[in-house]
Amino acid sequence: EIVLTQSPGTLSLSPGERASLSCRASQSVSNNYLAWYQQKPGQAPRLLIYGASYRATGIPDRFSGSGSGTDFTLTISRLDAEDFAVYYCQQYGNSPGTFGQGTKVAIK
Amino acid sequence: EVQVVQSGAEVRKPGESLKISCKTSGYRFTIYWIGWVRQMPGKGLESMGVIYPGDSDTRYSPSFQGQVTISADKSINTAYLQWSSLEASDTAMYYCAIQGRICSNGNCYYDFWGQGTPVTVSS
Repeated sequence: EIVLTQSPGTLSLSPGERASLSCRASQSVSNNYLAWYQQKPGQAPRLLIYGASYRATGIPDRFSGSGSGTDFTLTISRLDAEDFAVYYCQQYGNSPGTFGQGTKVAIK
Repeated sequence: EVQVVQSGAEVRKPGESLKISCKTSGYRFTIYWIGWVRQMPGKGLESMGVIYPGDSDTRYSPSFQGQVTISADKSINTAYLQWSSLEASDTAMYYCAIQGRICSNGNCYYDFWGQGTPVTVSS
């Protein structure tokens, strides 16, 4: 199965700053089928991005996804107070689908 | 509006059985894959398996094959996750989630999520 490694483990930033989160796959993800989720404490995950770069319904345009093959990035152009959370990537191009271990975006 | 409502918190002893539920509404239940995702305390997300309610085609992730059973009842738009004999290591939050509209093979992203069902297994 494909192993997804997310980095950094924790990203400490201030509101208004730009965040770049990395998700690296142990082998190429078919069709770039890569999704990103946001999870806040005590809440269920929320889909942000699918197909590497397509924003889910209702997701603000400050969130963007990019990448292909084995290297993918989630970018938050300007951090809002509500964006401090844990972010997970998931690949679904190869079976079984797998998740990364998560990146926490913390307030600096 | 799509809604996914899971059953409430459960506390069981090791060796006991359990079945938790996921009631959905606001969409055609039979044509979207539904999956279960485990999150152990302080840990990340793990896909357990999925079911296509239209024909009950069920697929399990290798780590969960034989450990749990996923089912669905089309008549009440509800999916289930069950254990025949719980272990302490089953203590976790369990999420039910609906896969995306364009998904066709059960291996896909999760578009709508339930609120989670916490399960505690302790003697």
